[in-house]
Amino acid sequence: AQKITQTQPGMFVQEKEAVTLDCTYDTSDPSYGLFWYKQPSSGEMIFLIYQGSYDQQNATEGRYSLNFQKARKSANLVISASQLGDSAMYFCAMREGLNTGNQFYFGTGTSLTVIP
Amino acid sequence: DGGITQSPKYLFRKEGQNVTLSCEQNLNHDAMYWYRQDPGQGLRLIYYSQIVNDFQKGDIAEGYSVSREKKESFPLTVTSAQKNPTAFYLCASRASGRGRPSYNEQFFGPGTRLTVL
Repeated sequence: AQKITQTQPGMFVQEKEAVTLDCTYDTSDPSYGLFWYKQPSSGEMIFLIYQGSYDQQNATEGRYSLNFQKARKSANLVISASQLGDSAMYFCAMREGLNTGNQFYFGTGTSLTVIP
Repeated sequence: DGGITQSPKYLFRKEGQNVTLSCEQNLNHDAMYWYRQDPGQGLRLIYYSQIVNDFQKGDIAEGYSVSREKKESFPLTVTSAQKNPTAFYLCASRASGRGRPSYNEQFFGPGTRLTVL
């Protein structure tokens, strides 16, 4: 089974609107961390936001927020007030277990296009 | 400035040749990772290392080799045994330790685009 599933290969959003990128995960470990990364066309991976499995509140970082629904095993990224510079690939990732050196599992990504 | 460097940015190789991709970090991170990314796809783990002189195979290690002789360096060799090596290669590092999951995101280098001619 896939550890991380991103079901939206491509998304379009109007500038200044909000958009939600979906991510579901699969793990039986009670301790895990969820991450979102942005990859512009230049290729570098930019860390956006983190949610720990024990965190009681949804994570927020500026215009990014993570809609964490533990029972549904979903960790959707919400981008508010979209900007043209938000056009990029977005990857959801998970790290299992207590050892923070453990490997990450990445989804296949969602390509976001912001329309002027 | 602290960060991860990868060189070269673009690399061309003839079939049958081995080639080594460089990855250096000055973040004092224990763990380092190599990923492969194919067009329109996510990242797949090739190898990772949690400590000097130790490394583990990832999901697609066949045809690749690594070494971790120094904390700062984690070079990846793409051997002639790798059937389809043309891809974008990303190196990452992160602080590691035991305890509850913490805010230890992976820091990525700028990547190396390898093309086999």
